[in-house]
Amino acid sequence: EVQLLESGGGLVQPGGSLRLSCAASGFSFSSNGMSWVRQAPGKGLEWVSGISGTGGSTYYADSVKGRFTISRDNSKKTVYLQMDSLRVDDTALYYCARGVAVAIDYWGQGTLVTVSS
Amino acid sequence: EIVMTQSPATLSVSPGERATLSCRASQSISNNLAWYQQKPGQAPRLLIFGASTRATGIPARFSGSGSGTEFTLTISSLQSEDFALYYCQQYRSWPPITFGQGTRLEIK
Repeated sequence: EVQLLESGGGLVQPGGSLRLSCAASGFSFSSNGMSWVRQAPGKGLEWVSGISGTGGSTYYADSVKGRFTISRDNSKKTVYLQMDSLRVDDTALYYCARGVAVAIDYWGQGTLVTVSS
Repeated sequence: EIVMTQSPATLSVSPGERATLSCRASQSISNNLAWYQQKPGQAPRLLIFGASTRATGIPARFSGSGSGTEFTLTISSLQSEDFALYYCQQYRSWPPITFGQGTRLEIK
């Protein structure tokens, strides 16, 4: 069974940093690209970042480029999202998801990031 | 960036009836389109990929069609569990992968 378990969310002040983690199980992790998708309260889905299976290629939405960094450790079957210079409008539920250049077929339950003073 | 536009924003349909949801891409995406269902407090669930292929475990009452810029998700006979939010998503031209703004399917 495919499982994606996010962690690392929380309350942070504007300008602060957080590191999200997503532990994967139940599939060949290194063979799959991974994405982070966020959903602000009461809003729609926004793709944030993606990474190839090897970790050699990374992709970002313009809204987070230069502030967020995606990475992965295939030995730990974990993908990360380092979020720096956080803004109020980064407040959202952050989903870890399997897939980058394809339909996203599995989603975690999300971790909530709140940016507020 | 490819903009995905869904219509209507809200669709009211009675149980047992057919629902038709639309999604339009700002430029051709061939058949690189997926549909997702999201219920309150839950993560999205993949329904359709490749514009018309049902994902594993998705009931046959869900069907997708279209190519290029115009796409449709049809639910042939609505069940109570089908009332939810639906999103389309393109993965033809990225980054960024883009989603529509969603259609809320509610009970009439």
